[in-house]
Parts: sequence; structure tokens; C-alpha cells
Amino acid sequence: QQQVKQSPQSLIVQKGGISIINCAYENTAFDYFPWYQQFPGKGPALLIAIRPDVSEKKEGRFTISFNKSAKQFSLHIMDSQPGDSATYFCAAGGYQTGANNLFFGTGTRLTVIP
Amino acid sequence: DSGVTQTPKHLITATGQRVTLRCSPRSGDLSVYWYQQSLDQGLQFLIQYYNGEERAKGNILERFSAQQFPDLHSELNLSSLELGDSALYFCASSLRTPPGRGDTQYFGPGTRLTVL
Repeated sequence: QQQVKQSPQSLIVQKGGISIINCAYENTAFDYFPWYQQFPGKGPALLIAIRPDVSEKKEGRFTISFNKSAKQFSLHIMDSQPGDSATYFCAAGGYQTGANNLFFGTGTRLTVIP
Repeated sequence: DSGVTQTPKHLITATGQRVTLRCSPRSGDLSVYWYQQSLDQGLQFLIQYYNGEERAKGNILERFSAQQFPDLHSELNLSSLELGDSALYFCASSLRTPPGRGDTQYFGPGTRLTVL
């Protein structure tokens, strides 16, 4: 079953706008929530990550909001730029049964229109 | 550049064949992970190795196997290939598996496998 659910599947935003991608998880043992950015033909690259002891983390134009009680987290991209056009994956992980593999959402293809 | 290297970049083969994908983790990283990315399935975790030992298995088919060598590089072996195995295969590495905490994974550029 899909351990991390991500929406929307695709997103089109005007340059300068705010892009918002949402994810939800079920396993309360998860304690690490990264977001990855992937450009065509490249491997996913870590963008920003959060631990459940904080409700928000900001790095430049990228912000993660985390709601532990709702088991949801989201990525906000402020002042979206055409160079942000990529596929974004949320993930969740943590130490479980001796391993710490990540469970990925299905991805959101973001297109920023100039 | 994540520091994770994967070879080959592209691989084209026929059904029924066997291929080996290679991954070298970042210097100092002990854990290696393999993922499969296909259009309809997203990123699927296959298997994790830590310092030469298998640590976790995900949706890995019995036709697939992997190992991590003493120098920490890893190989993913895919046999009896089917058309549906065509996908991008990514390797990722992380420093360690600290109990109770997730660990940052760094991805390689991937190997694109095409089965004809």
C-alpha cells in the first residue's frame, strides 16, 4: 500500500506565485520527512527536510509545514520561478526494524509559466 | 553532483537476459539503497545494504538480487528480464543507520534500463 500519499499529481503556477504540494502519511513511527526535487534525466536531489519536533522549516524560498496530529506535511515554494519546474517528491522514513529506507510519494510535476 | 556514481548510464537488452547495475556510494557512506522508478509506479524502494549486510527489502522481485562488497560499492542484478522491468534504477547512499532517526539519502544519476 502507498505509505505516503501526495497531491496534486501536477501543478501549473505563474511565475512569482506560490506552489503548494501536500503529503500525508500513516505510520507514526516515521521521524524524517524530506522533499526531493528531480529534473528530467537526473536523480532526485534533497531539497529540504524536517523532523517532527518542529512545525515549520524554511530555507530560502522553500518552506515545509508539518502537522504531526494530522499526519500531514506540505512544501511551499514562494515566488516560484521557471527554474523550479521539476518533479517534486515527498518522502517519509525513520528507523524501523533495523532499517531506515524512505517511502516516497508518487510525485508532483510542477510547471512554472514565465 | 551528489557524489554517488552509477554505471552504466543506459542499458538496452532483450527479454530473458540478465544485467548488472553498479553503484559507488559517497565517500564514507555505509548504507546503499536501490530504487526503481517507472512512469506508473513512482519511486519504489527495492533493497538496502549497510556495511555489506542486507538491512531491508522492499518491492524487490525474486528475479532481482543485490549485494554490497567490502569496498562498499553495490551491484543490482536483474535476471530473466521482462518488458515491464524497463525503468530508471537509482542508487542512493547515506552515512549510517542511526537508531531512531532517519538518515539523509543522496541519489545517483540513475541507470535507464530498456528491455526490448
